[in-house]
Amino acid sequence: KNEVEQSPQNLTAQEGEFITINCSYSVGISALHWLQQHPGGGIVSLFMLSSGKKKHGRLIATINIQEKHSSLHITASHPRDSAVYICAVAKNYGGSQGNLIFGKGTKLSVKP
Amino acid sequence: DAGVIQSPRHEVTEMGQEVTLRCKPISGHNSLFWYRQTMMRGLELLIYFNNNVPIDDSGMPEDRFSAKMPNASFSTLKIQPSEPRDSAVYFCASSYRLWGEAFFGQGTRLTVV
Repeated sequence: KNEVEQSPQNLTAQEGEFITINCSYSVGISALHWLQQHPGGGIVSLFMLSSGKKKHGRLIATINIQEKHSSLHITASHPRDSAVYICAVAKNYGGSQGNLIFGKGTKLSVKP
Repeated sequence: DAGVIQSPRHEVTEMGQEVTLRCKPISGHNSLFWYRQTMMRGLELLIYFNNNVPIDDSGMPEDRFSAKMPNASFSTLKIQPSEPRDSAVYFCASSYRLWGEAFFGQGTRLTVV
């Protein structure tokens, strides 16, 4: 079983819809990252969080440390949000040297 | 700042040849990461440096892979000899502190034929 699981793998939405992407992990972490990879291949860091909730524009990320779960929400989705969204966790420093583990990504396609 | 700069953007080489990928991190960033992305395995962390010192290279697939960071503004990832299964996109990223927000380069698409 992968230490970081994302769902769904693929997601198609209509413009304007509210979107949720989920990430579950099975290891102790010091932080969780959400990354966005555009169709051209470039990767952008969206959020880094270790507790609670963060918001940037139409994007909201939440994390529940006790449940080992994080969600990425997109409100009022737009075709330009089409990308692969990747969850990554940084293991606890007291664990295996703080390595970064990636989920397989969620491919989002927003139709106009 | 121009962001993390990687070169070359594309590299096509023959099996057995040496390949060197280059990365210039954002000035002032203390941590540098090398990643590999393939369709089969997704993104994988290969090695990371903190203050120019390699911290963890357990992600480096084989001894054919090596990475150096001779100073705070430059790092290389070398594959010698290269094999077709090394074909992937290699990303470099830097951050102000270890596991802080990472800024990625545009990647180097390596094809080994």
